[in-house]
Amino acid sequence: DAKTTQPPSMDCAEGRAANLPCNHSTISGNEYVYWYRQIHSQGPQYIIHGLKNNETNEMASLIITEDRKSSTLILPHATLRDTAVYYCIVRVARGAQKLVFGQGTRLTINP
Amino acid sequence: GAVVSQHPSWVICKSGTSVKIECRSLDFQATTMFWYRQFPKQSLMLMATSNEGSKATYEQGVEKDKFLINHASLTLSTLTVTSAHPEDSSFYICSAYQGLGYQPQHFGDGTRLSIL
Repeated sequence: DAKTTQPPSMDCAEGRAANLPCNHSTISGNEYVYWYRQIHSQGPQYIIHGLKNNETNEMASLIITEDRKSSTLILPHATLRDTAVYYCIVRVARGAQKLVFGQGTRLTINP
Repeated sequence: GAVVSQHPSWVICKSGTSVKIECRSLDFQATTMFWYRQFPKQSLMLMATSNEGSKATYEQGVEKDKFLINHASLTLSTLTVTSAHPEDSSFYICSAYQGLGYQPQHFGDGTRLSIL
């Protein structure tokens, strides 16, 4: 699976949009981009995933560049409860593929 | 939907005892379950992959005789830490995969294991 690169930490003001970048320059054509987050002392929570089109759900939006070498997770109106470590993971879709977690981005939402 | 329950959430044991952790998919059938371990201030590390009805596949460096995994049904996998020692103290997390292509894995809330 392709390696991902994320900034180690970010800050965002409550109520503002939080934009979390992820680089995955070696992504291959059959690999999806998945985003999870882990709030302190809990298991990771699935947020969103995509292949090449932009995706939106009730939690977030995922913007994938046309060349698919990077993506951005957008939390449109961040709240204090969005403070967590956010993981961007790339994996192939076929079968039960394991997830390889990097260090993620520690997002802190400030009041 | 896609709820994964892990039990217990927290356990303290004496050194030398064995501890069993359960992972259940509550509203879907999981063909594959994964077990991860997370030490403080570190990321999740995959320990093993278990498929229903077959032996688990362990990652390099994980002792299969120490970490026994059973996946007897499509909704339950168990991890038993045998003869636990203080260095086994960690946060153990399971995830479950329904078996439908690109669908995501869903995680339990983890078990914090402390060995005295």
